[in-house]
Amino acid sequence: EVQLVESGGGLVKPGGSLGLSCAASGFTFSDACMMWVRQAPGKGLEWVGRIKSKSEGERIDYAAPVRGKFTISRDDSKNTLYLQMNSLETDDTAVYYCATCRGSNDPLSGYYYYYYMDVWGTGTTVTVSS
Amino acid sequence: QSALTQPASVSGSPGQSITISCTGTSGDVGAYNYVSWYQQHPGKAPKLVIYDVSSRPSGVSNRFFGSKSGNTASLTISGLQAEDGADYYCFSYTSSSALYLFGTGTKVAVL
Repeated sequence: EVQLVESGGGLVKPGGSLGLSCAASGFTFSDACMMWVRQAPGKGLEWVGRIKSKSEGERIDYAAPVRGKFTISRDDSKNTLYLQMNSLETDDTAVYYCATCRGSNDPLSGYYYYYYMDVWGTGTTVTVSS
Repeated sequence: QSALTQPASVSGSPGQSITISCTGTSGDVGAYNYVSWYQQHPGKAPKLVIYDVSSRPSGVSNRFFGSKSGNTASLTISGLQAEDGADYYCFSYTSSSALYLFGTGTKVAVL
């Protein structure tokens, strides 16, 4: 069974740091593109960032609000995705989800686009408050 | 643009059909067939219901239908059932530096 389990959430003061993990099982993690998505209390979904597989150069992209504050990484030997969050602000309070990303090859450019998430974790809650 | 535009709420009676719109621009929804839709019940993780504008993942009911016209994508749920009551979000790749955009979300109420 394909499964993603996030952990590491908790209460942290503004300006603090926190690291999240996402343990993957049931599929070949090293071949997978992975995303982080968050949802503030009572709000909509927000894309946080994406990391491609090592065979695709492990390219990492971030949403503007977290660029320079958050760092995505992966350890394929542990089948685990990470999200290191620094300089946390109250606006970073949210449930954080990891998900596998899928896509397809554009026949004109030959470029492989990732553009949807098919398997999601259950989420871990991060609260930034003094 | 920070988000795709969806109606805040849509409602229907059991058995009816409803349609949720997702309006973007010529740089995202209008430019690519890279629109997906997610269903989210309260307190639960999102679930993929449509990808590639109109493709259904295995196990998703054929009552869910996706389409696109110009800069607007749509999700239609036919034969509305109580279990369809949830929040729905569209998602698209964008050529802008944002890379990906979620819709603002639509709450579906089954009357």
